[in-house]
Amino acid sequence: NAGVTQTPKFRVLKTGQSMTLLCAQDMNHEYMYWYRQDPGMGLRLIHYSVGEGTTAKGEVPDGYNVSRLKKQNFLLGLESAAPSQTSVYFCASRPGGAGEQYFGPGTRLTVT
Amino acid sequence: AQTVTQSQPEMSVQEAETVTLSCTYDTSENNYYLFWYKQPPSRQMILVIRQEAYKQQNATENRFSVNFQKAAKSFSLKISDSQLGDTAMYFCAFISGTYKYIFGTGTRLKVLA
Repeated sequence: NAGVTQTPKFRVLKTGQSMTLLCAQDMNHEYMYWYRQDPGMGLRLIHYSVGEGTTAKGEVPDGYNVSRLKKQNFLLGLESAAPSQTSVYFCASRPGGAGEQYFGPGTRLTVT
Repeated sequence: AQTVTQSQPEMSVQEAETVTLSCTYDTSENNYYLFWYKQPPSRQMILVIRQEAYKQQNATENRFSVNFQKAAKSFSLKISDSQLGDTAMYFCAFISGTYKYIFGTGTRLKVLA
C-alpha cells in the first residue's frame, strides 16, 4: 500500500515550458487535491476533485489545469510555466466524509 | 469567508518542556472538523490530531492534546514532554461542509536540546 505518490519529486523548467505533475493514490479515495506551498503562506488550494471525471477550482487556479480521468490519478498541468510558479506542490487525497487528508511527498518545482 | 489564523510564526521550547501552539478560525458553520498537521524537514505532511466540532471533549493523542474552545473559535495544540523529533512546521486546518480544507500559515517549532 503506497498511499499517495507524486511524480516527479524535483523539476527545473524554463519560463514558457510545460509539464504535468502526476498524483496517484491506491486507497480508493473519492477526493483529491493539489496545493502549492510557499514560504509564509501555508498551503493554498489550486484545484480539487470530488470524484472521477470531476474537477473544481480552488484558491489559486490561474495558470494550472487538472484532469481526473481515473479515480486513482489526479494530474496537474502547467501550460506555460512562469517564475511565480516556483513552489513546492503537494497532492492529497481523502475518503468521503470529513476525514483527514493523506499527503504525497511533494514536488519541488523551480521555474527559471 | 472561512479563515484560519496562526499568530505565532516561530516558537522554541526546551526538550522535555511543554509548549502550546495557537490557532483561531472564523466560520459561520456549526459542524466542522479541525486538524493539526506536522511537517518535519522531510517535507512530508503528517496528521497529528483531529477534533470534531460537535464533540465537547478535547482530543488527545499521546503527548499531543488540544484545547478546543468552540465559542471563542480557538483550537490550540499542546505538546507535552517535547522531543527533538517534534521540531517541525505545524499547520492548523479546518474543513466544514465544503470539500475544501483551509490551512493556517504555520508555526515553526524548534525543540532545543
